This record gives sequence, structure tokens and C-alpha cells, in this order.
Amino acid sequence: ETGVTQTPRHLVMGMTNKKSLKCEQHLGHNAMYWYKQSAKKPLELMFVYSLEERVENNSVPSRFSPECPNSSHLFLHLHTLQPEDSALYLCASSQGSRTDTQYFGPGTRLTVL
Amino acid sequence: KQEVTQIPAALSVPEGENLVLNCSFTDSAIYNLQWFRQDPGKGLTSLLLIQSSQREQTSGRLNASLDKSSGRSTLYIAASQPGDSATYLCAATLDTDKLIFGTGTRLQVFP
Repeated sequence: ETGVTQTPRHLVMGMTNKKSLKCEQHLGHNAMYWYKQSAKKPLELMFVYSLEERVENNSVPSRFSPECPNSSHLFLHLHTLQPEDSALYLCASSQGSRTDTQYFGPGTRLTVL
Repeated sequence: KQEVTQIPAALSVPEGENLVLNCSFTDSAIYNLQWFRQDPGKGLTSLLLIQSSQREQTSGRLNASLDKSSGRSTLYIAASQPGDSATYLCAATLDTDKLIFGTGTRLQVFP
């Protein structure tokens, strides 16, 4: 798990809280991704950053706000979430080419009360 | 719209059996097809990546095949072991670097 790390691993928050998820990749990759994994649903791509620029926003509600300050770090800022946002949030990175493998972090298990 | 389906949703087999997991996709215009493994509560580990120009890839006891024309990929696991127990996900890469995932096959290999 040293390639892509995520913190925290578990997070419980109320609907009025503001929190941030952090992802760091140590692989020298140029692209980073946020995914949401809900129970019994396929992984959903949320955001894609390539060379620190957001290249895709997959119709994600504005209560999720990504930030990519450099090619090694990716954040997901959370505010006024809903209980249905409870899920496993996975970060991934790749070299950037469409043919490259994505390497995933261990995820943050988020529970919204 | 690309959709990825995996069958079966769950599979339980005794140790030592050879098994096949299936993945189908609706749009054959993919760049590659990947198979991942996910252990409970953890992230994904890439197992095999098949480029669109390839027919199969092998890694140890794992063999993945790709038939773009029929929209199918299979993951073959030889001589299954209890340590193979996990959820296996396939994902098709579209031209926007976007991965479309299936819902996975939950595999249990019992001693």
C-alpha cells in the first residue's frame, strides 16, 4: 500500500460537518482519480485530474469539491453531505495514458450520520 | 452508453478447482480491459490488463482473455486456493481514460 496512500481510513461525520479526504501517490504518475464505491453498485468515477488539471467531473454534486495542488496529492473536500453519500471512496493514479493501469489506494470508509 | 456486466455475482468452490469468471461489455470500442481483485474493505489490486489489440494475458495461475467482437472477457483461475477468496472486478477503459466497472464477482474458495 505504499504506492497510493489515503487518509483517514475511516471517517464518521454529521451532515453539517466539513471534512477532507487525502490521497498521496508515490509512483511518479501524472493522473489521479476519485471513485465512489457504494454497496452493490459498480465503482463510479467522480473526478479525473491530469497534470494537476481537472479533466473530468462526472456530474458530481457540489458538496464534493476536489483539489489537486500537485501531481502527487489529491484531496476531496466534503461539506453538508447526505446519508446516501456513505460509501468507500477510492483514490487511484496512473501514468496518464489511456492504456495504463490504474493503481488504487486502500480507500476511506465514510459514514454520514 | 458502455455497460459492464459480470456473471456470476457470487461463486463458492472447493479448493483446487479451476474456475472461470465472466465479464461482458456493450460497446466494443474499448482501449483495454482490466481485471482487479478487491479484498473486503480494501482498495483494488490490478491483476491483468489486456490491450484492445491483444487476445489474452497470463500471470501465474491467472489467465484473462478478450474477445472485442463479442464484447466478452474471461478470467480463468487455475487450481484455486483459499487465498484467492475476494471480489473480482473487470473494467473497460474508454477513450477518455474513463474506466467503467462491473459490479464484481464475489469468490469464496473453501478448504
